[in-house]
Amino acid sequence: DQQVKQNSPSLSVQEGRISILNCDYTNSMFDYFLWYKKYPAEGPTFLISISSIKDKNEDGRFTVFLNKSAKHLSLHIVPSQPGDSAVYFCAARGGNKLVFGAGTILRVKS
Amino acid sequence: DTAVSQTPKYLVTQMGNDKSIKCEQNLGHDTMYWYKQDSKKFLKIMFSYNNKELIINETVPNRFSPKSPDKAHLNLHINSLELGDSAVYFCASSQLGQGLEQYFGPGTRLTVT
Repeated sequence: DQQVKQNSPSLSVQEGRISILNCDYTNSMFDYFLWYKKYPAEGPTFLISISSIKDKNEDGRFTVFLNKSAKHLSLHIVPSQPGDSAVYFCAARGGNKLVFGAGTILRVKS
Repeated sequence: DTAVSQTPKYLVTQMGNDKSIKCEQNLGHDTMYWYKQDSKKFLKIMFSYNNKELIINETVPNRFSPKSPDKAHLNLHINSLELGDSAVYFCASSQLGQGLEQYFGPGTRLTVT
């Protein structure tokens, strides 16, 4: 039962362009949504979050959009940089735990 | 200074053995977690401790037993290892009131042969 889904295993983007990573969820009781970034041989690191009562949250080059009616969120990275190449995990908070998606590998080409 | 550390980083062992993975955090957080990342890459919560008390215990075989000697440490002991236990295990910590921004260790890659 995958409550958080990232349907794109990988994404390749040119440096300077926009990266858009997508995530879908099924549980309408999630109250927060998050994005984590992971480099090889390291643990995930928190990137940005959004409350379920908001539809947008921005932090520098990173913006997360939430569409509750569609149970969909996306992470926009503008402009993309080679250092952004990593695995991006979408996560949702339900109760006192986080439910993670399987991740999307982002490759930013210079 | 490493915020959340795990030892060992790699662990190769045979079926039926018992092994432990250790985790320590120096962030002063009161909540610690164990996650398993399986072959399909999903990160799944296994356990969570708050101030040495178990608060999350997902459907995990009872061969897995977490132990928290103090709030800075959360160890994972696994008995009678099976092939399906092969995975990457991540430890994490957070302040319970937040629970959103979790700080993860580098992971322990367990291979059971």
